[in-house]
Amino acid sequence: AQTVTQSQPEMSVQEAETVTLSCTYDTSENNYYLFWYKQPPSRQMILVIRQEAYKQQNATENRFSVNFQKAAKSFSLKISDSQLGDTAMYFCAFMKHTGWDYKLSFGAGTTVTVRA
Amino acid sequence: ETGVTQTPRHLVMGMTNKKSLKCEQHLGHNAMYWYKQSAKKPLELMFVYNFKEQTENNSVPSRFSPECPNSSHLFLHLHTLQPEDSALYLCASSEAADRGGVRETQYFGPGTRLLVL
Repeated sequence: AQTVTQSQPEMSVQEAETVTLSCTYDTSENNYYLFWYKQPPSRQMILVIRQEAYKQQNATENRFSVNFQKAAKSFSLKISDSQLGDTAMYFCAFMKHTGWDYKLSFGAGTTVTVRA
Repeated sequence: ETGVTQTPRHLVMGMTNKKSLKCEQHLGHNAMYWYKQSAKKPLELMFVYNFKEQTENNSVPSRFSPECPNSSHLFLHLHTLQPEDSALYLCASSEAADRGGVRETQYFGPGTRLLVL
């Protein structure tokens, strides 16, 4: 079974600053997908970024980027130039790549508050 | 707008009631999912449907009964629930997973906030 750990329950950042959220996971698989999802107070879960484990290049999506360290099983999310609309709970998630097991395993989440 | 809608958005029910949650996706996907999100706990996968066939039941109690009449609609029928079943129930959809294929990104609906009294 895969476990996903987000060790930071809450983080606060000043508007326009940068914040990094940590995520570690435990798996014996070699191929898999990693995701960061954002859940604002409106409760709509939104995909932020996705990383394929076989790709060495870190994924980026506008102000969001990841630092994927496969050997360390670490998948951190960096939010640059933070905006008030980034206030949300952020979930790290793992998905196995092959076989018939396609379950998303989620971490407990990190609440990010962007201060004006 | 993610293309996945859920109704109702809020539901209060007694333990003897029967109610249903509805999910509809407009993304042309063939896989649909039910998740439960409780306070202080990670999201828990409940059920998975691929091409209308249930392919996963994650040890969910029988008081939760899913139904997938077609690839665009997913229901969760509820009866004789317990107060601990109060949670946010999220529906998601994706391209269907196939053996050895790419596991596609899941897109979530806004959820139904359920309170069982």
